[in-house]
Amino acid sequence: ETGVTQTPRHLVMGMTNKKSLKCEQHLGHNAMYWYKQSAKKPLELMFVYNFKEQTENNSVPSRFSPECPNSSHLFLHLHTLQPEDSALYLCASSQDTSGRRGEQFFGPGTRLTVL
Amino acid sequence: RKEVEQDPGPFNVPEGATVAFNCTYSNSASQSFFWYRQDCRKEPKLLMSVYSSGNEDGRFTAQLNRASQYISLLIRDSKLSDSATYLCVVTLGDYKLSFGAGTTVTVRA
Repeated sequence: ETGVTQTPRHLVMGMTNKKSLKCEQHLGHNAMYWYKQSAKKPLELMFVYNFKEQTENNSVPSRFSPECPNSSHLFLHLHTLQPEDSALYLCASSQDTSGRRGEQFFGPGTRLTVL
Repeated sequence: RKEVEQDPGPFNVPEGATVAFNCTYSNSASQSFFWYRQDCRKEPKLLMSVYSSGNEDGRFTAQLNRASQYISLLIRDSKLSDSATYLCVVTLGDYKLSFGAGTTVTVRA
């Protein structure tokens, strides 16, 4: 596979469930990101990993827990979510975090619904 | 005040028309500017960077006005395939992309 892949593509969960989102990039990049996209709102940066180290936690509630075992894989562990957490969760990667070219490559996203 | 503001649209235009829209940003220290495109139920993809002198990429022209803190995107000779949401993106020069909520363009036959 090429590019950035995410699984699952759709997820429905109850507020007491625990689930994980997976992201994998096949671009040889060193930086990976989690974003949240709610309807009619701008993308919100949640977490940033550079060379497997977390460099950004954008005041995200602790019910979202990221994990980056290597530069190619990124997980978002979910537990005791709220209905307002329903959104599209996008993973992205870039060569590094310098932002020189501003290009981040996004995965197709996981559409999450919390009941 | 939002960091990046865009007219949500939608802009409904016939094929072959020219459509243009702006985006304003609040931080005067912003250094880099981009337009991303997001098709319906798809992920965002970089469309083009925006340079101080203005730049073209085929039918797309981007302009930057630092004094008034806005960037613009103009699409000439619109195609049906141009129908999408266009996201304005601003950075301080690092990886933190500030996204606008997007401007929706619909090109009709």
